[in-house]
Amino acid sequence: DAKTTQPNSMESNEEEPVHLPCNHSTISGTDYIHWYRQLPSQGPEYVIHGLTSNVNNRMASLAIAEDRKSSTLILHRATLRDAAVYYCIRKPGTASKLTFGTGTRLQVTL
Amino acid sequence: DTGVSQNPRHKITKRGQNVTFRCDPISEHNRLYWYRQTLGQGPEFLTYFQNEAQLEKSRLLSDRFSAERPKGSFSTLEIQRTEQGDSAMYLCASSSRVWSTDTQYFGPGTRLTVL
Repeated sequence: DAKTTQPNSMESNEEEPVHLPCNHSTISGTDYIHWYRQLPSQGPEYVIHGLTSNVNNRMASLAIAEDRKSSTLILHRATLRDAAVYYCIRKPGTASKLTFGTGTRLQVTL
Repeated sequence: DTGVSQNPRHKITKRGQNVTFRCDPISEHNRLYWYRQTLGQGPEFLTYFQNEAQLEKSRLLSDRFSAERPKGSFSTLEIQRTEQGDSAMYLCASSSRVWSTDTQYFGPGTRLTVL
């Protein structure tokens, strides 16, 4: 099954950068790394995805290790609205479904 | 609002009753997914449709569960003879596959409580 390993929880101060790690040591060459987040009482929300290269979008940056066995989601300036559960998902290129783990619960404090 | 919508948002039922949930995907999306989420866990895949064809079903989808997408637009998920273990958030998502991106857009979910 598509397994990733994330810390259960992390804390950050508002306005500071946050680095959320993810290990996916059994990743294969065609697997994409997707990140979704789930705010309280909402459905998951797409954040970013990548294959080999680092990726940036308006929400976050994704840094993928050279051997692709780990990745880091970077929120450049955390706000209170970024408090959520962040899921790192390894998605085979041919797969349709998302296989969620338990994610990292990010707390952001003033 | 052009996002994924789900109805009802909350459903309380007694054990043994049947329930049906509806999902309206983003209009141009041809793929539709159902997931289930219990407290403290990530969503678990149940099934997905491409247009009206149901292409994959999880082992979690017992014979008491049935999903349809009759015209390739909205979808319904029915649970027959509900059990307390069916209490969960039922999430619907839709996507339009482009290359291997297949970004899924989720609805707000239907929270089911079985008494």
